[in-house]
Amino acid sequence: GNSVTQMEGPVTLSEEAFLTINCTYTATGYPSLFWYVQYPGEGLQLLLKATKADDKGSNKGFEATYRKETTSFHLEKGSVQVSDSAVYFCALRSHNNDMRFGAGTRLTVKP
Amino acid sequence: DTAVSQTPKYLVTQMGNDKSIKCEQNLGHDTMYWYKQDSKKFLKIMFSYNNKELIINETVPNRFSPKSPDKAHLNLHINSLELGDSAVYFCASSGDADHGYTFGSGTRLTVV
Repeated sequence: GNSVTQMEGPVTLSEEAFLTINCTYTATGYPSLFWYVQYPGEGLQLLLKATKADDKGSNKGFEATYRKETTSFHLEKGSVQVSDSAVYFCALRSHNNDMRFGAGTRLTVKP
Repeated sequence: DTAVSQTPKYLVTQMGNDKSIKCEQNLGHDTMYWYKQDSKKFLKIMFSYNNKELIINETVPNRFSPKSPDKAHLNLHINSLELGDSAVYFCASSGDADHGYTFGSGTRLTVV
């Protein structure tokens, strides 16, 4: 079945450091891929998405590229801020509409 | 505001009680979901409804019963609450497969 594996946290970085959170997936067909962010005490918010191979999703300085050949959708940001501290979820959605989430990666950015 | 809204935000109750969580979306989406998030942030799908019909019913105790009076509402009723039911419950809705889900802000349930 479809599944998502993302790097385990927690991840702790200093402000302005480069961020990568790895995500790989297993799916039949051509799913859409997503990154969600959950700030403390809040629900999940869609951060970015990509719906086909080689698409790049981007938002708020974050980027992720849909790599079919490596079945990956790694999240990157060139310079993190304290306000980026949150839990990040990778997810895929197949065309039967079932969304699968990874286990989440907690990011803490220190000043 | 267009959104997914769920109430209450916090719910503290004793073991054995029955409680309900309500969810409403005004996004015009056809599909609604209930997720349970444990203390380690793991998200587990519980139920999915498409236009008032049950689509997904994962392995969830039958003490949990979803009710969808119309496609804009999906409520969750829980009977005979147990300590292990303590978690954050999220409602979500979605349109087609190329789009993500829109989540509510969550209901933190604490069973004492």
